[in-house]
Amino acid sequence: GNSVTQMEGPVTLSEEAFLTINCTYTATGYPSLFWYVQYPGEGLQLLLKATKADDKGSNKGFEATYRKETTSFHLEKGSVQVSDSAVYFCAFRDNYGQNFVFGPGTRLSVLP
Amino acid sequence: DAGVIQSPRHEVTEMGQEVTLRCKPISGHDYLFWYRQTMMRGLELLIYFNNNVPIDDSGMPEDRFSAKMPNASFSTLKIQPSEPRDSAVYFCASSLIPGPQHFGDGTRLSIL
Repeated sequence: GNSVTQMEGPVTLSEEAFLTINCTYTATGYPSLFWYVQYPGEGLQLLLKATKADDKGSNKGFEATYRKETTSFHLEKGSVQVSDSAVYFCAFRDNYGQNFVFGPGTRLSVLP
Repeated sequence: DAGVIQSPRHEVTEMGQEVTLRCKPISGHDYLFWYRQTMMRGLELLIYFNNNVPIDDSGMPEDRFSAKMPNASFSTLKIQPSEPRDSAVYFCASSLIPGPQHFGDGTRLSIL
């Protein structure tokens, strides 16, 4: 069935470190892929998206590339800040538009 | 633009009481989703609507939970009677396919 797998957290990094959060998916067809971020006490916010193979989504220094051959959508940032501390969710929506699947979330803590 | 609006932001009530959570989706969106988030279970999809019609309620935990969408601009999630294990943050989200989901700020529910 459809599913999203994310690396388990929590992930703890020092400020300015390089970030990678792995995400792989199982879906039929050609889903659209998303990363959401949830700051403490808030709802989920869309961080970036990609709708077809080899697309790169980017926002606020974060990037993720839609890799159909490996069914992956890993999130990366070259230099994290304390303000990036949050929970990150990988998600996809199937190409029929009705099935939206979220991963379990990865908690990131960035230390000064 | 107004985002998804949820009310109340916080609700504290005693076990056995009826609880009603409210959601106003983004104007023009045709999908509405209700989620529950807890530390133990993460983010769970409870039910979603398309054009005000419930499409999939398989995530609704028990008959104590019910959801309605009487028109395109309003939805409710009701718990009757409430129990302490219902304590969680409840999110409403809306979308216009093929776009992403947009989340409200959530209702933090505590059942004593």
